[in-house]
Amino acid sequence: QQQVKQSPQSLIVQKGGISIINCAYENTAFDYFPWYQQFPGKGPALLIAIRPDVSEKKEGRFTISFNKSAKQFSLHIMDSQPGDSATYFCAALYNDMRFGAGTRLTVKP
Amino acid sequence: DVKVTQSSRYLVKRTGEKVFLECVQDMDHENMFWYRQDPGLGLRLIYFSYDVKMKEKGDIPEGYSVSREKKERFSLILESASTNQTSMYLCASSFRNRPNYGYTFGSGTRLTVV
Repeated sequence: QQQVKQSPQSLIVQKGGISIINCAYENTAFDYFPWYQQFPGKGPALLIAIRPDVSEKKEGRFTISFNKSAKQFSLHIMDSQPGDSATYFCAALYNDMRFGAGTRLTVKP
Repeated sequence: DVKVTQSSRYLVKRTGEKVFLECVQDMDHENMFWYRQDPGLGLRLIYFSYDVKMKEKGDIPEGYSVSREKKERFSLILESASTNQTSMYLCASSFRNRPNYGYTFGSGTRLTVV
């Protein structure tokens, strides 16, 4: 039973476009929501994270939008680049980290 | 550069073998975790440890055990490998009291059981 549901499973975006990945959770005890980026042959690496008392966090081209009442959060990648092609995982932390199923993003040149 | 090191990148084992996956971190993290990664299922927690000689079951502990004799080392043991344990195994670590710093992952061990 997945505690964090992520969609879509795969995403293809043109260079310069906006990539959007969505996640939903059920457990209101989660208090930290990170996104991880994973390139082939590598482990996931922390990309950006948000606490539930904030509705948005931006770091460069990456933005997390957080909707506490809907129990949803999303990752927006602005001006997507081929180098952003990777698998992205959302996650939620209470005592331990629970991960979404992952989204394979392909940015076409 | 701080890191989590997994001893093998690729491993091929036979059904019924006892398999050891080793993980070492150099960040003085208290917490260590073992996940398996399968397509469409994301990362699923197998076992974790908050301290030396301490372990807790995650979501899918069946067929696995762990050992943490030293703070920096966390081993995953497949008691009798089966083909359904073919997967990518990821080790991670974090600070106990600073979970918001996130987890640091190793590069993974791709295990094939034949």
